[in-house]
This record gives sequence, structure tokens and C-alpha cells, in this order.
Amino acid sequence: GAVVSQHPSWVICKSGTSVKIECRSLDFQATTMFWYRQFPKQSLMLMATSNEGSKATYEQGVEKDKFLINHASLTLSTLTVTSAHPEDSSFYICSALTSGGQGEQFFGPGTRLTVL
Amino acid sequence: LAKTTQPISMDSYEGQEVNITCSHNNIATNDYITWYQQFPSQGPRFIIQGYKTKVTNEVASLFIPADRKSSTLSLPRVSLSDTAVYYCLVYNQAGTALIFGKGTTLSVSS
Repeated sequence: GAVVSQHPSWVICKSGTSVKIECRSLDFQATTMFWYRQFPKQSLMLMATSNEGSKATYEQGVEKDKFLINHASLTLSTLTVTSAHPEDSSFYICSALTSGGQGEQFFGPGTRLTVL
Repeated sequence: LAKTTQPISMDSYEGQEVNITCSHNNIATNDYITWYQQFPSQGPRFIIQGYKTKVTNEVASLFIPADRKSSTLSLPRVSLSDTAVYYCLVYNQAGTALIFGKGTTLSVSS
């Protein structure tokens, strides 16, 4: 199947700083990518839909000014957690949607964010 | 989006067949059923997808009755490495995001 990578795989930062997480589709182009957040022992929660060349669509309750999403190319979407706080500590996972056909989604390996 | 219901947890032993059933009573005509597997601190991994009847691949089988209101993921001869969370999802082909329910935590013991 198609490969999606995330960078970094884990990050520790101080409260108040901003952290950028990259999501790349390595062998296919993805006009649409999705960002999820997963807290321990919980399921994945959809945060936003990232579309190449346009503004992201955020789910209800997700602050767009805090979680900045940029989908500047067909293979890269970034999620920036601005002014991170300990409650933002979580596992962030992206997925990329293949175009055409059945439109399969492939998930990245996730990024563990710990805010001190 | 059709809501899915599946058991919170299941236990099994190595070598046994495991069947995880998922209910999706409000599934729409255009919806497909897909199953993902997730290990701790990893992204979900696609297992199998189907629309009706039976689908089989190298790792699992998916059984879907005629009314499509439920589906059963069958894992033949599980091993310890199959211990994971299994998610049943329903989606259409329009490229919308997958919405995850609580999933089933499968624990395989020796």
C-alpha cells in the first residue's frame, strides 16, 4: 500500500512554544489529508480536513487558530500546534487520501507530542 | 455517517479463530465497510474492506449479510502479535474522513 510518513515521530516542548508536525505522502499525491488526535486509551478523534491549496476545514470544538494547518503541496501537510500547553499533549496522526479509484486512506505512524 | 457498535474487548488464545462483529444499523446504500488495526503508539493499518457478502485477503475475511446492518471480521489462527485494537468503520466513496468509534481491544494469550 501507499506510504505516509510523519515527522517528527516524537517531540517534547516547553509550554508556550509552537510545534510543527509534517505529514508526507511518499509515493502518491494527496489532495486531501486528515489530522487526528488520540489521547491514551481513547479512539482517534478527527481534528480537521486539509485540502491542497485551500483552507482547512476544522471539526467542531477544534480551535483553528491554535492548530494551524497548511497543505502547500500535493504531498505535504503540516500541523502547527501554537502556544502549546500540557493539555495538548497527545498522539497526532495524519492520513492521506488517494485520488481516484476507491479513494483509500493511508495513515501515518503518528507523532507523540509531550508539552511540559 | 453510520454509527458503528462493536464489543469493547475480546480475549483469545493463540491458534484460535477470532470473530469480531460490528453493528451498523444505519448504513447507507453507498457506504462501504472497512476495518483497521492499531497497535499502541502507531497509526491505524488497513485490514480489509467490503460492500456485501464475503471478502477475503491474506490476513482476514469479512462477512457481510444481505441487509448489511452488521459485519464480522474473522481472523484465522491468531497469534500474540494480533493483540491490538480493531476498528470497524463505515464510509462512502466520496473521500470523506474516517470516523473512528471505540474499537475492540483484542488480547491474545499463549
